[in-house]
Amino acid sequence: KQEVTQIPAALSVPEGENLVLNCSFTDSAIYNLQWFRQDPGKGLTSLLLIQSSQREQTSGRLNASLDKSSGRSTLYIAASQPGDSATYLCAVRSSGDKLTFGTGTRLAVRP
Amino acid sequence: NAGVMQNPRHLVRRRGQEARLRCSPMKGHSHVYWYRQLPEEGLKFMVYLQKENIIDESGMPKERFSAEFPKEGPSILRIQQVVRGDSAAYFCASSPMGPTAKNIQYFGAGTRLSVL
Repeated sequence: KQEVTQIPAALSVPEGENLVLNCSFTDSAIYNLQWFRQDPGKGLTSLLLIQSSQREQTSGRLNASLDKSSGRSTLYIAASQPGDSATYLCAVRSSGDKLTFGTGTRLAVRP
Repeated sequence: NAGVMQNPRHLVRRRGQEARLRCSPMKGHSHVYWYRQLPEEGLKFMVYLQKENIIDESGMPKERFSAEFPKEGPSILRIQQVVRGDSAAYFCASSPMGPTAKNIQYFGAGTRLSVL
C-alpha cells in the first residue's frame, strides 16, 4: 500500500528565502508525482507534474525533483514571496488511477 | 473551456439527512474521481468512475456512501443519513483518459460539507 509523507508539516520563513519541501513515498513503482498548492477553503492548483522517467521539472521559481529509487521528491521555491503562502501537497499516482496524497506542508512567508 | 465544476460549494446538513454532491467534469472528460479531505488530514481517494461504470470504489465507506456518473449529467456523490464524522471537503477530479502514464487529473474547488 502506497504511503506518502511530507516534511515539514509547517514552515514559516521571511520573504526572499529559498526553501525546500520534502515528499517521500514507500512504493517506488509510480507513474508520476505531482505537486499541488491549496489555499485555505479553496481547491487544488497543480504546480508541477513529474513523470516516472523524468528527474525534474521547472516552472518559474519552482523546481521539483524526483528520485524514484529512493522514493523521494523535493519542491524547491526560490526567492519566496508572501503570495506563496499556502499548503503544498505532494501526490503520487501508482497502480490504477488514483492519487495518494501526503498531508501537506503549510507554508507561511512573512513580509 | 470551463474547469471541473462542483456544487454546492458549501452544504450544511443535520444528522440523519442526505447529502448530494455534484461534479461536472471538464468538457471531453469521461473519467471522474472523488476524494475526501477530513480536517487536518490529507486527501483520500474514494471512488473512480467512468460514464455509467464504477471502476474502483476501494476508498468508499461500506455503508451510506454511493456514487454514480450517468450517461447524461454530472457525477453525484450521495451520503445517506449523514453523521458528524462526514464533515469534510469533498473534491472531484476529471481526466480525459483512463490509467495511462500521462493521465492528469484536474481538480474542482470542492464541496465543504458540515454536519450539525
